[in-house]
Amino acid sequence: RKEVEQDPGPFNVPEGATVAFNCTYSNSASQSFFWYRQDCRKEPKLLMSVYSSGNEDGRFTAQLNRASQYISLLIRDSKLSDSATYLCVVRVAGNQFYFGTGTSLTVIP
Amino acid sequence: NAGVTQTPKFQVLKTGQSMTLQCAQDMNHEYMSWYRQDPGMGLRLIHYSVGAGITDQGEVPNGYNVSRSTTEDFPLRLLSAAPSQTSVYFCASSKYQDGISSYEQYFGPGTRLTVT
Repeated sequence: RKEVEQDPGPFNVPEGATVAFNCTYSNSASQSFFWYRQDCRKEPKLLMSVYSSGNEDGRFTAQLNRASQYISLLIRDSKLSDSATYLCVVRVAGNQFYFGTGTSLTVIP
Repeated sequence: NAGVTQTPKFQVLKTGQSMTLQCAQDMNHEYMSWYRQDPGMGLRLIHYSVGAGITDQGEVPNGYNVSRSTTEDFPLRLLSAAPSQTSVYFCASSKYQDGISSYEQYFGPGTRLTVT
């Protein structure tokens, strides 16, 4: 079983739409959670850390549900520049990180 | 700051050859790591280091060696390249001080390696 699972998509949404991605993780001892974005053939870039109480950064909202072992990312008012692959990342004990395979988003004009 | 830099950007090796992928960061980050990214697999941790002289294995360490002689540099050595090591390799770093890490990683631009 994979440590981190994401729906690969693709998600094709019009500009201005709201879109949500979910990610599930298998290890209940996971300690830290992140969302990264990766543009085609580029390196991953940190989008936001995910805190237990949930957190928001502009149009982006991240939620953590430890009981159900999933993390979500909500993007409001989608922009063309949001088109990318979104990676869910989980840190288990120490410095072991596990990445999901990513969810592809295309925002259409 | 240049951030995290990697060289080379592209490399083609023959089976059995060895080479070193270079990674450097100028952010004074103590934690550095190497990942490989393969289609449908997500990034997988190869090796990591929490400071000069300290390295440890990640999820897929076989066939790779690392050393960390300075805070800035963390080279990855392929000992005897195999076609299964064809991949995109990313180096990353994050702040790790007094046993506390932000765990927020900054990635280099990657090295695309093909082994024939």
